[in-house]
Amino acid sequence: DIQMTQSPSSLSASVGDRITITCRASQSISYLNWYQQKPGKAPKLLIYAASSLQSGVPSRFSGGGSGTDFTLTITSLQPEDFATYYCQQSYTTPFTFGPGTKLDIK
Amino acid sequence: QVQLVQSGGGVVQPGRSLRLSCAASGFTFSTYGMHWVRQAPGKGLEWVAFTSYDGSNKYYADSLKGRFTISRDNSKNTLYLQMNSLRAEDTAVYYCAKDQEPYDILSHYFANWGQGTLVTVSS
Repeated sequence: DIQMTQSPSSLSASVGDRITITCRASQSISYLNWYQQKPGKAPKLLIYAASSLQSGVPSRFSGGGSGTDFTLTITSLQPEDFATYYCQQSYTTPFTFGPGTKLDIK
Repeated sequence: QVQLVQSGGGVVQPGRSLRLSCAASGFTFSTYGMHWVRQAPGKGLEWVAFTSYDGSNKYYADSLKGRFTISRDNSKNTLYLQMNSLRAEDTAVYYCAKDQEPYDILSHYFANWGQGTLVTVSS
């Protein structure tokens, strides 16, 4: 199975900050996706195929990377961005998620 | 618009069974692969199972060890998860989710999710 790790596991930032979350796969993958989840809600797809922005998602979200190392960057954090972020590989089953990165307000 | 409406959660004793349902509307259900994802209280997301659009291919998380079965009834636009021999560690919110593209073996990412249903395994 492909194992996914994320760093950091938690992050404190301020409105207006730029932040980057890293996701690493235990082997090279072609498909990496990012989700945002707020308490009590289903996850929301932000980025698919590493760098494609899902329709309706603000352009301050961007994804990058390839192979085993991927990033999610949020420029100019907004109050509604404070949430938990998960990466997910959809390259092969089982379609594993990373452990999550909790982003909270400093 | 796409709607995935879940039902069937609740409290169940260890060792018993439960079946979850996910009723789909707003898209051609029979052309999309479907998934179950779960989230234990205070924990991260765990992918559970996948069925192809026609039910011919099914895959599961290794941790389930044959206890769960995913199925679909395309005539009823409904996805199911049959859960047997339930354990305390199966306690979670279960979500159904659809593939992004029809017939596409590479679009296993989820823009559409059900509302989630809580399964609590406790005596």
